[in-house]
Amino acid sequence: EPEVTQTPSHQVTQMGQEVILRCVPISNHLYFYWYRQILGQKVEFLVSFYNNEISEKSEIFDDQFSVERPDGSNFTLKIRSTKLEDSAMYFCASSSGGATETQYFGPGTRLLVL
Amino acid sequence: QQQVKQSPQSLIVQKGGISIINCAYENTAFDYFPWYQQFPGKGPALLIAIRPDVSEKKEGRFTISFNKSAKQFSLHIMDSQPGDSATYFCAAGGLNTDKLIFGTGTRLQVFP
Repeated sequence: EPEVTQTPSHQVTQMGQEVILRCVPISNHLYFYWYRQILGQKVEFLVSFYNNEISEKSEIFDDQFSVERPDGSNFTLKIRSTKLEDSAMYFCASSSGGATETQYFGPGTRLLVL
Repeated sequence: QQQVKQSPQSLIVQKGGISIINCAYENTAFDYFPWYQQFPGKGPALLIAIRPDVSEKKEGRFTISFNKSAKQFSLHIMDSQPGDSATYFCAAGGLNTDKLIFGTGTRLQVFP
């Protein structure tokens, strides 16, 4: 069964450093998402991406964040200057349609900012 | 208005029992209501989903009940098994948004 994959599984970084989280969505999917989950809390939407541009973003997704689909298979989330409060599990998801189609989530990247 | 409220926060059920998790929403623009199951260290996985044109959807031991007028929906797990022990999230989505709004999660523990 096709699945969303994410790398790395864990990332530890110093405050102020840049991190890039990588995702390979399911191959025939057209909609891509990033969500985050702070430990023990709910899953929060960050951004959605369709047709090579951001289609929607949340208040969390400020100028420190950016997304990119550098080639036909990868989808990345960059945090330019990490803060302590960016420590969370980051999930990539993809779907074949919009939000009313099933979103398939990857296993996540656990980011720890020290 | 974008919130989805979920209860209980945690639930302990004996094997074979019924687990019931409830969610409520405010935004009537939502028209897609999935339930996700998450095991520790894993991403959420879709369990079952419903749209507001039906009041109930059943898949195996899992049933969603939907009350459009009350803006509530619930997940029922029949014959709960220890393997069902996980965190369950309800969510809501709509035609006018790409995002899913998640509830706060319910940690279910099923004891043998």
